[in-house]
Amino acid sequence: QQQVKQSPQSLIVQKGGISIINCAYENTAFDYFPWYQQFPGKGPALLIAIRPDVSEKKEGRFTISFNKSAKQFSLHIMDSQPGDSATYFCAALWGGTGGFKTIFGAGTRLFVKA
Amino acid sequence: DADVTQTPRNRITKTGKRIMLECSQTKGHDRMYWYRQDPGLGLRLIYYSFDVKDINKGEISDGYSVSRQAQAKFSLSLESAIPNQTALYFCATSLSEISNEQFFGPGTRLTVL
Repeated sequence: QQQVKQSPQSLIVQKGGISIINCAYENTAFDYFPWYQQFPGKGPALLIAIRPDVSEKKEGRFTISFNKSAKQFSLHIMDSQPGDSATYFCAALWGGTGGFKTIFGAGTRLFVKA
Repeated sequence: DADVTQTPRNRITKTGKRIMLECSQTKGHDRMYWYRQDPGLGLRLIYYSFDVKDINKGEISDGYSVSRQAQAKFSLSLESAIPNQTALYFCATSLSEISNEQFFGPGTRLTVL
């Protein structure tokens, strides 16, 4: 009920290609779905996020696609660059007066070949 | 200057020792969190605090305790460290339930021998 399953574990993409990372969740109470980017030796930083009332959100080269009925969401990185090489985490959150829950995926290590 | 700072950045200790990890923030956020990161497991929530008088257990609180000394300070303690607490620990903050974006510190790498 509380898991967020992320795939693939690692990904190698050529420069200029499209990187796609997928996540699936179980608990329909989640209402905020962020993607975090983490470089070695640094803390995660928010990349892009979406709420379940929207099916797609785009910010620059980064797009989240959200399928509420399938309980899946994905990150697409267009025109991937070597500087995008990092670990990416999806997450699912719900929070309010009744409490707070945040579950992270296991992470995907992306390497973009120059 | 960094908005969320953690001290120490690295720590090696022995089994049974008491350890405190400290987190300070200058973002003015009410909400603070402690996570641990393990390879292949992502980040898991240990404790969270929505204000100075509010402390809540997260997913994996056993073996840990926290103290919210002020709005800007949130400390994590391992009362008696054990080797499986070897991990990377992150503190994070967020503004409120209106904005769920979490801002992470640089992390503390803890090794328990």
